[in-house]
Amino acid sequence: GAGVSQSPSNKVTEKGKDVELRCDPISGHTALYWYRQSLGQGLEFLIYFQGNSAPDKSGLPSDRFSAERTGGSVSTLTIQRTQQEDSAVYLCASSFSLSNQPQHFGDGTRLSIL
Amino acid sequence: GNSVTQMEGPVTLSEEAFLTINCTYTATGYPSLFWYVQYPGEGLQLLLKATKADDKGSNKGFEATYRKETTSFHLEKGSVQVSDSAVYFCALNLLAGRRALTFGSGTRLQVQP
Repeated sequence: GAGVSQSPSNKVTEKGKDVELRCDPISGHTALYWYRQSLGQGLEFLIYFQGNSAPDKSGLPSDRFSAERTGGSVSTLTIQRTQQEDSAVYLCASSFSLSNQPQHFGDGTRLSIL
Repeated sequence: GNSVTQMEGPVTLSEEAFLTINCTYTATGYPSLFWYVQYPGEGLQLLLKATKADDKGSNKGFEATYRKETTSFHLEKGSVQVSDSAVYFCALNLLAGRRALTFGSGTRLQVQP
């Protein structure tokens, strides 16, 4: 498709389980971002990938969170040993490399931790 | 650090009313400025952007002007419609350094017929 694609759209899991969230960016976009949207914290940056450079992980809230981007395209965000406070909508965005280029967002994955 | 401050919502207007949503920012460098909109049940969509001082971004009847002297990027629309009901987010990122968007807290707009 033409837009950023995220899967699954909804995920419900038990506390302590690991989850993987997937993002397929717009073709040709070299930059990929993960954000989290929650009621208490608003929209928070998590991690940023740009080409082959080392990712900017400065927004990851704990070492339970990690992400990778394979082949400069698809990215996976992994949350290990999930906690209830991880419940949120996880948003992926992609853009061309220049910072003044707008980021285009997927519809997000709604994660609910029971 | 970088931050974006938006007016508190919700903002409730009647159809055809004039809309202003205030946004001010602080940034350690020279930012690009954006307004994103989130319609009910949907993802974030770019509404408009401005990349340098005095630039005016516009789209769908919405406008915002990059005011460096007042560090502001207020969103305006002359005549709102019910279909404009959504949450509006002001955001910035930097020309150099951290590329991630810094968002305001969002302002919910409700337009009544």
